[in-house]
Amino acid sequence: GEDVEQSLFLSVREGDSSVINCTYTDSSSTYLYWYKQEPGAGLQLLTYIFSNMDMKQDQRLTVLLNKKDKHLSLRIADTQTGDSAIYFCAVVGGYNKLIFGAGTRLAVHP
Amino acid sequence: NAGVTQTPKFRVLKTGQSMTLLCAQDMNHEYMYWYRQDPGMGLRLIHYSVGEGTTAKGEVPDGYNVSRLKKQNFLLGLESAAPSQTSVYFCASSRSTSTDTQYFGPGTRLTVL
Repeated sequence: GEDVEQSLFLSVREGDSSVINCTYTDSSSTYLYWYKQEPGAGLQLLTYIFSNMDMKQDQRLTVLLNKKDKHLSLRIADTQTGDSAIYFCAVVGGYNKLIFGAGTRLAVHP
Repeated sequence: NAGVTQTPKFRVLKTGQSMTLLCAQDMNHEYMYWYRQDPGMGLRLIHYSVGEGTTAKGEVPDGYNVSRLKKQNFLLGLESAAPSQTSVYFCASSRSTSTDTQYFGPGTRLTVL
C-alpha cells in the first residue's frame, strides 16, 4: 500500500530556514498536504500543493514537489519559536483516503 | 462555530472495560473520520463515514465500532478495551471528499491499564 516517510526530528536555530522532507510511494495523489500539530492540539492544515505544480509559496512557506523522485518538501523561512511543532506530510492513497507520514518534530532554539 | 469537538479529553480504562468517544462537528460536513496517533507512526485511519447512516473500515478497524446516526456526530466505541488501544484519538471532518481539507478535533488521550 501507500507509504509516506519523513525524518522524525529536525532542530534549527531561530531565524534560520527549516526544510522538512517527505517521500511517498504512490504517484497518483492529486493533492499533497502539510499539516501542523502544536503540543496538545489536533492537526491543522498548513498548506497543500496540486500534483501538477512544482512549487507553491505562501508567505514564509515554500512547498516543492518533485514528482519524478516522489519527494515533497516544506521550507519555512526565518523560523520562529512559534513554528516549533510536529509537521505531517499527507497524500491521498487508496479509496481516496489521506495517508499520513509519521511526522517531523521541529525544534527551534535561540 | 466550534468546528470539531471531542469528548472526553482524557480517559483511563481498565482492560475489558468499554467506552464511547464522541465527535461532533457544526460545519455540515458529509465526511467524518476517526484516527489514532501513536509515537513514530503518524495517524492511522480507524473508521470513516461518507454520510449520515454510513460507516466504513479504515486501516486499523479491529477492536473498534462506529456509528453515524446523525450527520453532525460520529461515535467511536471500544467494546472491550485492551492495552494496545492506548493512544491519542483524533476525529476529523471534511466537506465532501477526503481531498477536501480535513478539520481535526483536539484529540482524546486514552490509557488502558
